[in-house]
Amino acid sequence: DAGITQSPRHKVTETGTPVTLRCHQTENHRYMYWYRQDPGHGLRLIHYSYGVKDTDKGEVSDGYSVSRSKTEDFLLTLESATSSQTSVYFCAIAGTDRYEQYFGPGTRLTVT
Amino acid sequence: ILNVEQSPQSLHVQEGDSTNFTCSFPSSNFYALHWYRWETAKSPEALFVMTLNGDEKKKGRISATLNTKEGYSYLYIKGSQPEDSATYLCAFLIKAAGNKLTFGGGTRVLVKP
Repeated sequence: DAGITQSPRHKVTETGTPVTLRCHQTENHRYMYWYRQDPGHGLRLIHYSYGVKDTDKGEVSDGYSVSRSKTEDFLLTLESATSSQTSVYFCAIAGTDRYEQYFGPGTRLTVT
Repeated sequence: ILNVEQSPQSLHVQEGDSTNFTCSFPSSNFYALHWYRWETAKSPEALFVMTLNGDEKKKGRISATLNTKEGYSYLYIKGSQPEDSATYLCAFLIKAAGNKLTFGGGTRVLVKP
C-alpha cells in the first residue's frame, strides 16, 4: 500500500469556522491532489500540486485553498466552512511514470 | 470542462454471469485512461492504466479495452463474483493539464449470489 495518510479522519465543525485537512505521504511522489466525493458527482478535483509550492485549481476550487511547503504534506483549508462543503475528502498522490493515483483513506467532514 | 461519461450508472449481475460497461471520453489530446475500483467505505484503487489505442489489459477476471480514435473504453468482468461488487471509475488524463484526472461518474456493480 502506498504510504498516504489523512488527518483528521472525521470532523464535525460549525458554519463559518476555518478547517484544515492534512494529507501526508511517505512515497516522495511529485503530484498530490485533493478531491471531494458527493452523491451523483463521483470524484471532483478541488486543487492539485505538481511540486513544492506549485499548486493549481481544479474544477471545484471555490471556498478552498491549499498549501504545499514540503514534498510530503499537502494541506487543504476551508477558510470559512459552509454546509455545502459537507463531504468526504480524498487525497491522492501520483508519481511520474504512469501517473497512476494512490488514494488516502478519506476524511469525512460535516459542517453544521 | 472535459466530459467523461460512464454507462450504465448501475447494474445488477447474477453471480457467474459476465458483464461489461462503457467509458466515453474526448478523443483529442489523449494521454492515458485509468480504471479504478472503489469498494464501499474504502478508497479507490487503480486497476489499469491504458495509453495506446487498441490496448487490452487484464487482471484476473477483469479486463479492459481502449479505442482512443473513437473515445471509448470497455471494462469486462467475466464470471462475476460477489466480491466484484464495487463502483468502477474511469478517469481521463491530459498530460498538458498538469496530469490531472477527470473522473466519470462511475458504474456501480452489484453481484447477486
